[in-house]
Amino acid sequence: AQSVTQLGSHVSVSEGALVLLRCNYSSSVPPYLFWYVQYPNQGLQLLLKYTSAATLVKGINGFEAEFKKSETSFHLTKPSAHMSDAAEYFCAVSGMDSSYKLIFGSGTRLLVRP
Amino acid sequence: SQTIHQWPATLVQPVGSPLSLECTVEGTSNPNLYWYRQAAGRGLQLLFYSVGIGQISSEVPQNLSASRPQDRQFILSSKKLLLSDSGFYLCAWSRGLSYEQYFGPGTRLTVT
Repeated sequence: AQSVTQLGSHVSVSEGALVLLRCNYSSSVPPYLFWYVQYPNQGLQLLLKYTSAATLVKGINGFEAEFKKSETSFHLTKPSAHMSDAAEYFCAVSGMDSSYKLIFGSGTRLLVRP
Repeated sequence: SQTIHQWPATLVQPVGSPLSLECTVEGTSNPNLYWYRQAAGRGLQLLFYSVGIGQISSEVPQNLSASRPQDRQFILSSKKLLLSDSGFYLCAWSRGLSYEQYFGPGTRLTVT
């Protein structure tokens, strides 16, 4: 069965520092992978997606993620954190059935220190 | 372009009262529809999904139910709310044959 593990429920970085949010997945078939961001009291917004094309995926707000099949990882990065990046980030992997469900990780809260 | 609406935005209800949350999608046809719940400090829990009008699948047995009376309308209901039903309820949609989901703004439900 598909599953997603996000390492670190909280990550704290200084403004201007590298952001690295970790996501490892388990899938018996080539997966589709997604990163979503959620600001307080809002819905989730799609940051980027991997759908078996280029392994390095660029998203909105300067974020990117690299699909590494050998490591079953899809880590999210941003070279320089901004205060506005403070939010909760969710990694998700595609399910296998005709419902087109996503399997979400438990989320990582990113804190950005001034 | 497509838009997803949820209402109400916030709701405070006493234990034992009924519930009806509505989700509507505009600008697309025959979407897949999903209801999620986020308890405080927790991740996303998929409650129901629907791949077509009148088709509802439940992920977690509970006192909630869902209905899809029209192609782009998804309703979450309860006959009697429990304290544990408090949370942030999110509706999402995806195109048929696609995993990419788009989320609504959510409904904050507090059961007192």
